[in-house]
Amino acid sequence: AQSVTQLDSQVPVFEEAPVELRCNYSSSVSVYLFWYVQYPNQGLQLLLKYLSGSTLVKGINGFEAEFNKSQTSFHLRKPSVHISDTAEYFCAGSNTGGFKTIFGAGTRLFVKA
Amino acid sequence: DAGITQSPRYKITETGRQVTLMCHQTWSHSYMFWYRQDLGHGLRLIYYSAAADITDKGEVPDGYVVSRSKTENFPLTLESATRSQTSVYFCASSGDIEETQYFGPGTRLLVL
Repeated sequence: AQSVTQLDSQVPVFEEAPVELRCNYSSSVSVYLFWYVQYPNQGLQLLLKYLSGSTLVKGINGFEAEFNKSQTSFHLRKPSVHISDTAEYFCAGSNTGGFKTIFGAGTRLFVKA
Repeated sequence: DAGITQSPRYKITETGRQVTLMCHQTWSHSYMFWYRQDLGHGLRLIYYSAAADITDKGEVPDGYVVSRSKTENFPLTLESATRSQTSVYFCASSGDIEETQYFGPGTRLLVL
């Protein structure tokens, strides 16, 4: 079955510390991978996406993610977080020609001063 | 303004009533999607559309109806609302299936 699993439901971190949000996917949704961010009372915004090519993908706001086919992972990282990064983050995946993007359950990132 | 909009932003209704949530995009994107967001489930696809007059079911279509007579509009109707349909509903659009989905601000629906 197709699935995207976010391994942490909540991640608390201090300001200026590094953070990693973990995402694993089933091989059937491995072709395209995305990270979206949702700020309170807003819709989702794309942070970054992997379609093909380099396995290290850089996105907006200093975030990056690495596609690891052998571990079926697409973890999101940022070397130094800000208070303004507090939000919910969603990992998602879809297949070539597939019309159905599968979303993970989300990880809530809390950045503390 | 260009973009994707949803209306209403908030809606309270009663069990058994029909409710229609509106979605409008100004990019002429071919693909449009309806998701519901529930705690612990992330986003689940209700219906999607690849073009005007072409729609198909997603993961959780039961109790919902969609139509797409114009490219820019994709209304979602709850034919007879149930308490289990209390949720936040997001509409999204994309120019191609491989491209980024752009999300509306969401509609918070409470079914009493």
